[in-house]
Amino acid sequence: AQTVTQSQPEMSVQEAETVTLSCTYDTSENNYYLFWYKQPPSRQMILVIRQEAYKQQNATENRFSVNFQKAAKSFSLKISDSQLGDTAMYFCAFMRETSGSRLTFGEGTQLTVNP
Amino acid sequence: DAGVIQSPRHEVTEMGQEVTLRCKPISGHNSLFWYRQTMMRGLELLIYFNNNVPIDDSGMPEDRFSAKMPNASFSTLKIQPSEPRDSAVYFCASSSRRGYSNQPQHFGDGTRLSIL
Repeated sequence: AQTVTQSQPEMSVQEAETVTLSCTYDTSENNYYLFWYKQPPSRQMILVIRQEAYKQQNATENRFSVNFQKAAKSFSLKISDSQLGDTAMYFCAFMRETSGSRLTFGEGTQLTVNP
Repeated sequence: DAGVIQSPRHEVTEMGQEVTLRCKPISGHNSLFWYRQTMMRGLELLIYFNNNVPIDDSGMPEDRFSAKMPNASFSTLKIQPSEPRDSAVYFCASSSRRGYSNQPQHFGDGTRLSIL
């Protein structure tokens, strides 16, 4: 079974600064996907970024980027130029490569961006 | 482009009552997932379907929970009888597969269920 661990229950950052959220996972699979989802107070689950394990290049989406270390089973999220709207719960998630696979989520990190 | 649509958005009912949550996945998606979110247990998968067929229901808490997907555009999650510990936010998500690549799951806005 896969497990996902987010060791930071809460983090805060000043507006315009950079913050990194940590995630580690455990799997015996070689091909899989990793995701970061954002859940603002509105409770929507919003996909932030996605990484395929077979890709060595780290995924980037505007101000969001990841540091994917496959050997270390680490998948951190970096948010640059933090904005007030980035305040949310962030979930790291794992999915096997098999068709129609489930997501396994971490416990979440509550990020607060302060003005 | 409509996303995953869940109804109702909120449900408050008394224990012992039957509760039915509904989900319409994104058109063209062939996988559908039901998740439950609580403070104690976080986000956990209850059941998922591929091509309308239940694949893994090991997350369904007990026989009081049942889920159906009669066609590609509709699914229900039913709790009968409901109990206060069923209070949670229930999410439906859908996804597709493009070639050999799984596409990300897209979530509905969730149903906040309160059992009194």
